[in-house]
Amino acid sequence: EPEVTQTPSHQVTQMGQEVILRCVPISNHLYFYWYRQILGQKVEFLVSFYNNEISEKSEIFDDQFSVERPDGSNFTLKIRSTKLEDSAMYFCASSESPGREREAFFGQGTRLTVV
Amino acid sequence: AQRVTQPEKLLSVFKGAPVELKCNYSYSGSPELFWYVQYSRQRLQLLLRHISRESIKGFTADLNKGETSFHLKKPFAQEEDSAMYYCALNNQGGKLIFGQGTELSVKP
Repeated sequence: EPEVTQTPSHQVTQMGQEVILRCVPISNHLYFYWYRQILGQKVEFLVSFYNNEISEKSEIFDDQFSVERPDGSNFTLKIRSTKLEDSAMYFCASSESPGREREAFFGQGTRLTVV
Repeated sequence: AQRVTQPEKLLSVFKGAPVELKCNYSYSGSPELFWYVQYSRQRLQLLLRHISRESIKGFTADLNKGETSFHLKKPFAQEEDSAMYYCALNNQGGKLIFGQGTELSVKP
């Protein structure tokens, strides 16, 4: 069964450094998402991406965050200058469409630790 | 405001007992609601959606618009049901709004 794949599974970085989290969505999917979950808190939407542009973003997704699909298969989340509060589990998801009955499939997550 | 509330952080039951995981939502339009499950060390996966009105692994959930609820139920819990359960609302644009999650622990 096709899966969404995320790398790395765990990333430790120093405050102020840039990190890139990578995702390979399911191949025939057109809609891509990033979510994050700070330890002990709920899963929060960050951004959705369709047709090579952001379709929706949350207030969390400020100027330090960016997404791109550089090569038609990978979908990346870049955090330009990490802060301690960026430490969280980051989940990538993809779906065929955002409409009704279109299931979002999630990756296994990348645990980001900012020290 | 769009919001999903799961009032219980932890629900502990014995094997064979009935289970109800509560979910309430706030949404101005016509909601599309889901239950996602996360077993230990595994990814989030869809358990069921209200549109399909299906039963998966013995779980059912009925949308009650009057009470703005979408509670997840199972008449007889099994040990393998132990997991984190997340209620989520789709805002039609694909964005999922999650509740805080309920950890279900089924004791033998």
